[in-house]
Amino acid sequence: AQKITQTQPGMFVQEKEAVTLDCTYDTSDPSYGLFWYKQPSSGEMIFLIYQGSYDQQNATEGRYSLNFQKARKSANLVISASQLGDSAMYFCAMRGLVSGNTPLVFGKGTRLSVIA
Amino acid sequence: NAGVTQTPKFQVLKTGQSMTLQCAQDMNHEYMSWYRQDPGMGLRLIHYSVGAGITDQGEVPNGYNVSRSTTEDFPLRLLSAAPSQTSVYFCASSYFRLPGTDTQYFGPGTRLTVL
Repeated sequence: AQKITQTQPGMFVQEKEAVTLDCTYDTSDPSYGLFWYKQPSSGEMIFLIYQGSYDQQNATEGRYSLNFQKARKSANLVISASQLGDSAMYFCAMRGLVSGNTPLVFGKGTRLSVIA
Repeated sequence: NAGVTQTPKFQVLKTGQSMTLQCAQDMNHEYMSWYRQDPGMGLRLIHYSVGAGITDQGEVPNGYNVSRSTTEDFPLRLLSAAPSQTSVYFCASSYFRLPGTDTQYFGPGTRLTVL
C-alpha cells in the first residue's frame, strides 16, 4: 500500500520568491511514480510534474522542479519565482508500478497563497 | 481530443434518490477511476478500472457502483443517495503501467449535494 503525507496545510510566499512544498511517501513497491497536481479555486486538477523512482535526475517543468530524495522518501515540489496565479491547492500523489493494480494515492494537500 | 468529460457539472439530490455520474475519455486510456474530494480530506479513491469489463474497489466504495462496458466510458452510480455523499466527484484516466506515461488526467468534476 502507498501513503502520502503533506504536513503543511497552508503556506504563504511573497511574489517572485521561491517556495518548497513538502511531501513524504511510504511504499513497499520497488518501482513507483510520484506526481504533483495543482487545484486552483476553479476546481480543476492540473498535472504539474512527474518523477519516476528509477529516474536518476530530478524532474523539472518550467518553474516547477521536484526535489526527489529517495533514501528519505521525500518528493518536495519547488516553485521558483512565485506568481499570484500560483495561489492554489497543491496535491502530491503516487502510484506503484510493479505490484498489481495500484491506483493513484493522494495526500491531503497544501494551500499556497502568494502575496503581492 | 476532448480529454476527460464529466456530466453533470452540478447536481442536487434528495436522500434516497439514485443517479448516475457520467465519465468519458477519448484518449484510449486503459485506466479510469473515480475520486471524491471532501474538505481537508484530499482525494479518495472510490472505484477504478484497468480495462473494459474489469473494475475494483478503492478506499471508499460503499454506496457506489461502477461498470466498464467500453474503454471510453466509466459511469458511477449512486444507489440510494445519502447526505454523506455530498462531495465533489472527479473522474480520471491514464495509460496503465507504462512508466512516464501513467499521468492521470482529470475531468472537471461534478459537485453533488444530497439534501
